[in-house]
Amino acid sequence: DQQVKQNSPSLSVQEGRISILNCDYTNSMFDYFLWYKKYPAEGPTFLISISSIKDKNEDGRFTVFLNKSAKHLSLHIVPSQPGDSAVYFCAARRNQAGTALIFGKGTTLSVSS
Amino acid sequence: NAGVMQNPRHLVRRRGQEARLRCSPMKGHSHVYWYRQLPEEGLKFMVYLQKENIIDESGMPKERFSAEFPKEGPSILRIQQVVRGDSAAYFCASSPPTGTYEQYFGPGTRLTVT
Repeated sequence: DQQVKQNSPSLSVQEGRISILNCDYTNSMFDYFLWYKKYPAEGPTFLISISSIKDKNEDGRFTVFLNKSAKHLSLHIVPSQPGDSAVYFCAARRNQAGTALIFGKGTTLSVSS
Repeated sequence: NAGVMQNPRHLVRRRGQEARLRCSPMKGHSHVYWYRQLPEEGLKFMVYLQKENIIDESGMPKERFSAEFPKEGPSILRIQQVVRGDSAAYFCASSPPTGTYEQYFGPGTRLTVT
């Protein structure tokens, strides 16, 4: 019973174009969503987050959109750069402080120059 | 400001041996989480600890696995009598006591059971 789903295992984008990574969730108790980026043999690095009371959060080249009615969120990277090539994980948190993050299986983004 | 530290980075154990994984949280962080990542999978929550307390161990296998976060020193994840299925990357994360829901991850320990 995967509560957080990233249905695209991989995505290829050209440098300078937009990358859109998608994530769906099933648990309506989730109140906070996060995106992490992971390079091989390293730990996940926090990128950006969004509270369930918002529908958009922006930080530089990264924007996360949340559609609560569809239980869907997406991460937009504009413009994409070769250094963005990594595995991106979507994660969700239940509405209690300090509880576990539930991760999707990740999407591997490849940005070609 | 040092990040989350984990050691060792790589650990090889034979079946039946014990594995001890260590995690030092970021300075000022009092919450520690352990996650496990199997090949081709996302990270799976194992246990959440505060100093001297296990808060949530709902993701921890019932046998052979234990965790602690003593008053002094790092958090320890201990796996007794390891089996081949325990081979995975084990990540520790930490967060401050209040004000944010983000968790900051260490580089992980890659456990190989031969």
